[in-house]
Formats: sequence, C-alpha cells, structure tokens
Amino acid sequence: SQQGEEDPQALSIQEGENATMNCSYKTSINNLQWYRQNSGRGLVHLILIRSNEREKHSGRLRVTLDTSKKSSSLLITASRAADTASYFCATDAGGKLIFGQGTELSVKP
Amino acid sequence: GAVVSQHPSRVICKSGTSVKIECRSLDFQATTMFWYRQFPKQSLMLMATSNEGSKATYEQGVEKDKFLINHASLTLSTLTVTSAHPEDSSFYICSATTGGYNQPQHFGDGTRLSIL
Repeated sequence: SQQGEEDPQALSIQEGENATMNCSYKTSINNLQWYRQNSGRGLVHLILIRSNEREKHSGRLRVTLDTSKKSSSLLITASRAADTASYFCATDAGGKLIFGQGTELSVKP
Repeated sequence: GAVVSQHPSRVICKSGTSVKIECRSLDFQATTMFWYRQFPKQSLMLMATSNEGSKATYEQGVEKDKFLINHASLTLSTLTVTSAHPEDSSFYICSATTGGYNQPQHFGDGTRLSIL
C-alpha cells in the first residue's frame, strides 16, 4: 500500500501543551499536505509543504519535511480545546492524494 | 474562498435505491474533483478522479457501474450509488481543486449514507 503511516494514532493532552504528530510515507512526492477533520465533517486544509521545502509555519502550526527519511511532522503549539480533531497527512505524487491513517487529537480544557 | 458544498449531508434509504450526491465548487472553477469513501475511525480512500467533460478515472477495486460519476461542468460533479445495499453504507466525501501544480484540495462536508 502507498498509504502513509502516522503516529501516534491517538494523542491526549492538556490545553496549553504542544502536540506533535508524525507522518511517514513510501514514495517520492511533489508535496505533502496536512488536513484536519472534525467528527462527521469534511477535511480542512492546514498546510502544504513542497518537496524542496524543509519547514513551514502557519499561525500555531509548524510543519517539517525530511524527504531523505520520507517523513513529516506537524506541531501545534499552545493547544486549545478547539484543536480537538483528527489530523491527516496526505502525499501528492501526481495530482492524487494518498492519506495517512490519521492521528486523533484530544485537547482537554 | 475555495468553498465546496456537498449535498445531501445525510441519506437514509432502503436497499435497492439509487442515491445521487452532488458536489459543487461555489467560488472557483474546479478542473478536477475527487470522490472518497471513509469508514468509521479510518482514513480516506480515493474512489475516483473526475475531470470536467471527460470520463472519471476509477481506483482499483471500485466498481464503475456501481458508482457512477458525472462531471458535467467546472462547478459540479455528481456521484450516484446505484442499487445501493447495506455494504455501501459509508461516509462519502468530495473534494475539488483548481488544478495546477502544488495546489491543495478543498473538501465538502461529506454525505453520510445509510442503507437499510
């Protein structure tokens, strides 16, 4: 399977703490994207990082990409209860997205 | 910007019924739309890629005659689940992109399909 793997599968933290999620993939990519999904809803695009980029920031989000290790991480700083959701990485290797299994994040107030 | 509307949000119907799901890009032209299926607590599985004005490209294992996809305009794609059975019950999500290199996909809110 070309699907990526994410870890941890589930993460529970307190408000204010940082949350780190990791993603590994198997093939060469054009870019890697992170999405968020609230329960029973569609996906919301968070960040796209290109294969020639190593780090990208957006607000409280920081994404890194290591193409030599075929891995990426998403860091959410100063987490809030509203950050509770599932987070998916997805690799783009030619227009189609291949999603990882996701990390279920729970932020307790 | 980049809003995708998916309708209906929930469908409950009897076995043997055909169900049509619409996916519209509201504020941009979507050269490509995608249809995904998601089982509870699992990831998204791509079913098919749809380009405006041409036949959809289905992923391996997805029945073309079961899941009919039409992309008649740059803002509308439809997925019809024909003669639906309980095993077709799932969460179906569409996405749309303007195309081009290194562009994100914009997702609808999904359709929960329950076949009795």
